Amino acid sequence: QVQLQESGPGLVKPSGTLSLTCGVSGGSISRSNWWSWVRQPPGKGLEWIGEIYHSGSTNYNPSLKSRATISVDKSKNQFSLKLSSVTAADSAIYFCARVEDYYYTMDVWGQGITVTVSS
Amino acid sequence: ELVLTQSPGTLSLSPGERATLSCRARQSVSSTYLAWYQQKPGQAPRLLIYGASNRATGIPDRFSGSGSGTDFTLTISRLEPEDFAVYYCQQYGSSLTFGGGTKVEIK
Repeated sequence: QVQLQESGPGLVKPSGTLSLTCGVSGGSISRSNWWSWVRQPPGKGLEWIGEIYHSGSTNYNPSLKSRATISVDKSKNQFSLKLSSVTAADSAIYFCARVEDYYYTMDVWGQGITVTVSS
Repeated sequence: ELVLTQSPGTLSLSPGERATLSCRARQSVSSTYLAWYQQKPGQAPRLLIYGASNRATGIPDRFSGSGSGTDFTLTISRLEPEDFAVYYCQQYGSSLTFGGGTKVEIK
């Protein structure tokens, strides 16, 4: 079965760029799915960041669109998130997830990675 | 952005009781694109319900979803100890949004 694993730095400096990768195992990223990033600030709810299709098509949360970039590397079976100009408000657990493409639900999730923005 | 409002914020119940969680949208949501998730501390969310009323694989039948338009409900018929968690609704329309969550805690 498909499994997802987030990786990347756990600490990012203010005004810097947060960079995370989600490795996909047990299946191909080129299946007919979208692949998403979701974040959760400490003690708060879930916020969708955006998604990518294996073709490279992307959709973003309008509130983050100017700072977020999601890309895909089919050769490595992974997709990535870059979030620029980060502040303390971007500190959160970041999850990657597979989007089931008919009902548009996130049916497979990574375990999440905690990212703290601090100097 | 389509806002989803979940109520109550916290539900205090005892094992064996019935839980009724509400998710309301400011504008109509297609039932096809309304989902519910369960999240326990330190874990990723888990898909419970998709298409407003369909249980995901492996989800016990004490969980049920209903509703249409702007009002959706997640019902847990008899709470088991492992059901105490936070529940989120999610919709997909022009964008994707989550509700703020309902915490189901032990009374």
